[in-house]
Amino acid sequence: AQTVTQSQPEMSVQEAETVTLSCTYDTSENNYYLFWYKQPPSRQMILVIRQEAYKQQNATENRFSVNFQKAAKSFSLKISDSQLGDTAMYFCAFMKHWASGGSNYKLTFGKGTLLTVNP
Amino acid sequence: DSGVTQTPKHLITATGQRVTLRCSPRSGDLSVYWYQQSLDQGLQFLIQYYNGEERAKGNILERFSAQQFPDLHSELNLSSLELGDSALYFCASSPNGQGPYEQYFGPGTRLTVT
Repeated sequence: AQTVTQSQPEMSVQEAETVTLSCTYDTSENNYYLFWYKQPPSRQMILVIRQEAYKQQNATENRFSVNFQKAAKSFSLKISDSQLGDTAMYFCAFMKHWASGGSNYKLTFGKGTLLTVNP
Repeated sequence: DSGVTQTPKHLITATGQRVTLRCSPRSGDLSVYWYQQSLDQGLQFLIQYYNGEERAKGNILERFSAQQFPDLHSELNLSSLELGDSALYFCASSPNGQGPYEQYFGPGTRLTVT
C-alpha cells in the first residue's frame, strides 16, 4: 500500500515571497503519478500540478513548480511570488500508473499543509 | 468550476437516518470516485465506479453503498448514520477507468449528523 506524508501541518509566507511545501511517499511501484491539490476556504479541491514518475523533468505550471526526487521518494511544491489567493490547504497525492494493472486508480492523499499568505 | 456537480451542498440529519448524496460527472467522464474528508481520517477513498460498474472499494463501511446509473450520474447512500459519519463527501470524475487522467472534484456535500 502507498503512503503519503506531509510533515508540515502549517506554514506561512509573506506575499510575493517563495515557499516550498514538502511531501514524501512510500511505494513499491515504479511508475506512478504525483499530484498537488489545493483546497481553499471554499473547500473545493483544485488540481495544481501533476508529475509523472517516468519523466525526469520537473513539472511547472506558472508560479507553481515541483522538485521531484524519485530515489528519495520526495515531491515538494514551490510557490513563487505568493499571492493572497494562494492561502489554502495543500494536499500531496499519489496515484498508480495505468500500466500497473488492476482497475483502482484511487488517489492516496497526505494529511495536508495549511498555507497562509500574509499581506 | 470543475464541471462536476454534487447535491445537496449541505445536509443535516439525525443519527440512525439514511441519506443519499448525488454526483454528476463532467461531460464524457466515465469514472466516478467517492472520497470522504473528515478531521480525524483526512481524505479517504471510498469507492469507484466505471461506466456503471463498481471497479474498486476503499475504506467504505458496510452501511454505505453506491451506484452509477446509465446516464453516468452516481449516488452514495449512507444508512444507520452515526455521529462519526459527519464529514465532507467529495465526488470526482475522470475520463475513463485508467490513468493518467486527473480526477476533477465536485464542490462536496457537507454532512452533519446530530
